[in-house]
Amino acid sequence: DVKVTQSSRYLVKRTGEKVFLECVQDMDHENMFWYRQDPGLGLRLIYFSYDVKMKEKGDIPEGYSVSREKKERFSLILESASTNQTSMYLCASSLWGSGRASYEQYFGPGTRLTVT
Amino acid sequence: AQSVTQLDSQVPVFEEAPVELRCNYSSSVSVYLFWYVQYPNQGLQLLLKYLSGSTLVESINGFEAEFNKSQTSFHLRKPSVHISDTAEYFCAVRTSNTGKLIFGQGTTLQVKP
Repeated sequence: DVKVTQSSRYLVKRTGEKVFLECVQDMDHENMFWYRQDPGLGLRLIYFSYDVKMKEKGDIPEGYSVSREKKERFSLILESASTNQTSMYLCASSLWGSGRASYEQYFGPGTRLTVT
Repeated sequence: AQSVTQLDSQVPVFEEAPVELRCNYSSSVSVYLFWYVQYPNQGLQLLLKYLSGSTLVESINGFEAEFNKSQTSFHLRKPSVHISDTAEYFCAVRTSNTGKLIFGQGTTLQVKP
C-alpha cells in the first residue's frame, strides 16, 4: 500500500529556532512536494524535487529550504522560524513523467507546526 | 497562469440531501482535473480525476464530477450525502506539461443529522 509518512503530527517551536520537517515515501517515487495549508488559502507549493539533490522553488519558497539526499526522503527546513510560519505542512509524492500514472499525488498526514 | 477557484468556502447540508461543490479553473493549455478530500486530522486523498475521455467521472463512494470545457468548470456532486462525508474538499488542476498541482481554496462540507 502506498505510504507517505511525516516525522511529527504536531510540533511547537520558538521564534528563531531552526526546524526540520521530515517526509519519507516508500513508493520509489521521483517527485516529492512540500505544501503549506492555511484556512481560506488552500494548499500552496513551497518546494518540490524531481530527483535526488534536485529541487525547484514553488510559489512561496521564502523562509524555507529543502534537502533531498536520498530518493525516499525529502526534508523541509525553516532556517529561523517565525510566527507567520505557523501552519499545517503537507508532504506529497508522485511518479515522474507524462504518463497517467504520474498524475496522482499521494499525501502524508501532515505536520501542524506552531511557532510561538 | 493557471488558477482554481472554489466558489464556496463552507457548504452546510442535511443528511440525505443532494450537494454540489463548485470549482472553476483558468488555463490556456490542456488540463487534468482532480478532487481531493481531507477528513479531519488526515492528509489528502484522491476522490476522483478527469484526464480524458468521458466528461463525467465517478468515485467509489457516490460522488461524481463533470468536466465542462466551455464553462471551465469541474463541479462535484452527490445525490445523497452521509454524515461521514463531512470533510474538506479541494479541487486541483495539473497542466499537461508540468507535474505540479494547483489547488483551490477548499470547501468545507458540513453534513448535519
